[in-house]
Amino acid sequence: EAQVTQNPRYLITVTGKKLTVTCSQNMNHEYMSWYRQDPGLGLRQIYYSMNVEVTDKGDVPEGYKVSRKEKRNFPLILESPSPNQTSLYFCASSPDRVSYGDTQYFGPGTRLTVL
Amino acid sequence: AQSVTQLGSHVSVSEGALVLLRCNYSSSVPPYLFWYVQYPNQGLQLLLKYTTGATLVKGINGFEAEFKKSETSFHLTKPSAHMSDAAEYFCAVSSGSARQLTFGSGTQLTVLP
Repeated sequence: EAQVTQNPRYLITVTGKKLTVTCSQNMNHEYMSWYRQDPGLGLRQIYYSMNVEVTDKGDVPEGYKVSRKEKRNFPLILESPSPNQTSLYFCASSPDRVSYGDTQYFGPGTRLTVL
Repeated sequence: AQSVTQLGSHVSVSEGALVLLRCNYSSSVPPYLFWYVQYPNQGLQLLLKYTTGATLVKGINGFEAEFKKSETSFHLTKPSAHMSDAAEYFCAVSSGSARQLTFGSGTQLTVLP
């Protein structure tokens, strides 16, 4: 089944404790992206990647890191999480860049709480 | 720069009534426009999109949207609401110079019995 998977789905952690949220897609997509969803703000892009070893900042990159060493994986890293990073996170992928009109396929989401 | 405005963070309709969710966009170049739906505790899935060609776009579950360049709008409609349509709906825009999708703040649709 073609899909985007994220792990974990739920995570409660404490301020300053490094964490990684994994994202994997099995559709051989070039483009991958991370978003955070907050009430009343919609989805805001954190980072995106147009191909292996090519990543770029989105609208809200502060406090996050990403890497794209393999085409299928795009982990999101929080080196020192803070309470303002409590949010619902989505990974997404598309065959090519979204500026070409490609559809993005979303993972199920990771709900992160930072105490 | 590109942006999206969704008018009405919450919309309630009766079952069987018309659904109208409003979306206006801003883009300096011809846009690609999307509507995504998010059911409770799920990720987003594509309802429909406009890229080029016919301005009236039909999507899944009986939804459609019309691209109106003169009004910079891409409103989502469905003639008759069903209880299963209750969800959050997001309008999004992407344009040629941008490398990302910009989302609106979302509209929560409630369908009343």
